[in-house]
Amino acid sequence: EAEVAQSPRYKITEKSQAVAFWCDPISGHATLYWYRQILGQGPELLVQFQDESVVDDSQLPKDRFSAERLKGVDSTLKIQPAELGDSAMYLCASSLRQGNTEAFFGQGTRLTVV
Amino acid sequence: GNSVTQMEGPVTLSEEAFLTINCTYTATGYPSLFWYVQYPGEGLQLLLKATKADDKGSNKGFEATYRKETTSFHLEKGSVQVSDSAVYFCALLRGEKLVFGQGTRLTINP
Repeated sequence: EAEVAQSPRYKITEKSQAVAFWCDPISGHATLYWYRQILGQGPELLVQFQDESVVDDSQLPKDRFSAERLKGVDSTLKIQPAELGDSAMYLCASSLRQGNTEAFFGQGTRLTVV
Repeated sequence: GNSVTQMEGPVTLSEEAFLTINCTYTATGYPSLFWYVQYPGEGLQLLLKATKADDKGSNKGFEATYRKETTSFHLEKGSVQVSDSAVYFCALLRGEKLVFGQGTRLTINP
């Protein structure tokens, strides 16, 4: 069964260090999302891609976060420098196209900043 | 803006009890509505959905009806099982943006 792959599953990093997460969406899915889920809260959209283009990054803290999807397939989310408040679960999701009624989620990367 | 409000958890029930988790939304126009479930250590899975008013989504014994007049999409199940223990998220899709509620943690005791 096709699924969204994310790595690593867990990451511990010291504050002020750089950290990166990787996501491989379901094959053929044009839309890719990165969400941040703080413990006890719902996921919050950080960035949304349509193919290789960013269509929404209004909630992405651009001073420290960056995201790319160079070939319109897999994607990388980077944080530099990491801060204590960045500790959260980072979820990647994909869907066939924008506005599609079902997004498929990966298992997430749990980041702990110490 | 678009938003989703869920009943606060945690919710603890005994096996075979009736479950209701309330969800209300605020949105312009007519969004699609979803319930997602997150089991421990896993990502979110779509549980059910409804795309227009009066639609009923159902899956694995869970149901939710899209009520435009009360802007609600409450999740129900007639007889819960221990395996239903998870966090449940209500969400809406308006345009291209999927917006989640804060989640409700459900624990079912045997």
